Amino acid sequence: GDSVTQMEGPVTLSEEAFLTINCTYTATGYPSLFWYVQYPGEGLQLLLKATKADDKGSNKGFEATYRKETTSFHLEKGSVQVSDSAVYFCALTDTGGFKTIFGAGTRLFVKA
Amino acid sequence: NAGVTQTPKFQVLKTGQSMTLQCAQDMNHEYMSWYRQDPGMGLRLIHYSVGAGITDQGEVPNGYNVSRSTTEDFPLRLLSAAPSQTSVYFCASSSTLNTEAFFGQGTRLTVV
Repeated sequence: GDSVTQMEGPVTLSEEAFLTINCTYTATGYPSLFWYVQYPGEGLQLLLKATKADDKGSNKGFEATYRKETTSFHLEKGSVQVSDSAVYFCALTDTGGFKTIFGAGTRLFVKA
Repeated sequence: NAGVTQTPKFQVLKTGQSMTLQCAQDMNHEYMSWYRQDPGMGLRLIHYSVGAGITDQGEVPNGYNVSRSTTEDFPLRLLSAAPSQTSVYFCASSSTLNTEAFFGQGTRLTVV
């Protein structure tokens, strides 16, 4: 079945460092890909998405490109802030669109 | 704009007790889902619904029941609580296929 694998955390960075969180997926057909963020004590909220190959999703300085050839959707940010500390989830919706499959999540700590 | 509302936020149950987690959305979304979040395992799909009167099983449905009598509400019932059901439960909704999911704040359930 469909699955999402993302790098294990926690990831600890200093403020203004470059961030990469790796995400790869296994899916039949043409899934849509998402990154969600979860701040402490809250539910998940959408960070960015891409619906077809070579699409780049971007929001709040974060970017990810849908790479079908490598089945990847890595999250990047050029300069992280303390306020970016959260858990980040990579996810896909299957071709039918009925189910969203999540990765295990990667916790990010950003130090001042 | 309430979005997705879950109640209660916290609950402690004794083994064998039953209870219902409530979920309501005011966005007129057709698609609703229940997930559980456990450390290191991301979010796992319990049950989902593609419209009033239609439900289906997700990845980990055992021990849970759902119904969808209205577009707005999607309650999750624990039939006979077990310690393995200790988790954080999230309800989510989305408007159409392959679109962003909106999450509630979560219910933290402890079964003793």
